[in-house]
Amino acid sequence: GAVVSQHPSRVICKSGTSVKIECRSLDFQATTMFWYRQFPKQSLMLMATSNEGSKATYEQGVEKDKFLINHASLTLSTLTVTSAHPEDSSFYICSARTGGLAGAALLGEQYFGPGTRLTVT
Amino acid sequence: AQSVTQLDSQVPVFEEAPVELRCNYSSSVSVYLFWYVQYPNQGLQLLLKYLSGSTLVKGINGFEAEFNKSQTSFHLRKPSVHISDTAEYFCAVSRMDSSYKLIFGSGTRLLVRP
Repeated sequence: GAVVSQHPSRVICKSGTSVKIECRSLDFQATTMFWYRQFPKQSLMLMATSNEGSKATYEQGVEKDKFLINHASLTLSTLTVTSAHPEDSSFYICSARTGGLAGAALLGEQYFGPGTRLTVT
Repeated sequence: AQSVTQLDSQVPVFEEAPVELRCNYSSSVSVYLFWYVQYPNQGLQLLLKYLSGSTLVKGINGFEAEFNKSQTSFHLRKPSVHISDTAEYFCAVSRMDSSYKLIFGSGTRLLVRP
C-alpha cells in the first residue's frame, strides 16, 4: 500500500515552454502533498507544500509564479514549471501523506514518488 | 529551525562488513526521525523511522538505527552489507506539528565493494 506515482518519469523541453508534472496517490487519500527538487549529487530541497483544495505554501526563495502547484483532489497534485529555462533542469520528486485516523499510525511519514527528470534545452 | 548533518558524504565498505552511517540533528522542538534510501534515478524509500518509544528502531533490509537524545544523533547501522545496498542514504527530521515538513541531510553515499 501507500504508492505514489509520477508522470512523466522523464521530460525534455525547449527553453521558454511550460511543463506539467503529475503526482498521484494510488491507494490512499493524500491530504497533503509535497514537492521537492534535487540537483545532481545533492539532497532534496522542499519547494512547496500543498493541501487539497487550498493554495500551496511555498518555501522561501521558490517563485510561486514559476512553479505553479495545483492540488485539485485528494489523489492528484500537479506541478507546472512555466517558461522553463536550462537552470530549471532538475529531478523533481513529490511525496504524499495521509491524514485523519488512518494516518495517525503513520504520523509524520511521507510516501515518495519515483521522481521526474526534467531537462530544459 | 531544524537542521540535519550527515558528516560523511561517502562511505566505502567491503561486502559483508558492518557499516554505520552517521546523522546528527539540531532542533529546539521535539522531532520525528527518518532514514531514507535512494537508488539511482529513483525516488526515496523509507528504511525506518523513530516516532516514540524504544530508541532502537529496526527497519527494512536489515538496517537499524538508534535514537540518542542526549547526543542528538540517529545513526544508521547494518551488521553485514551487500552489494545491493550501494545507494544514497538520507537522514531526515520532521517537526511534531501539523506541518510535517521533512528536513533532509545532505546524504551519504554507501559504496559496497566486493
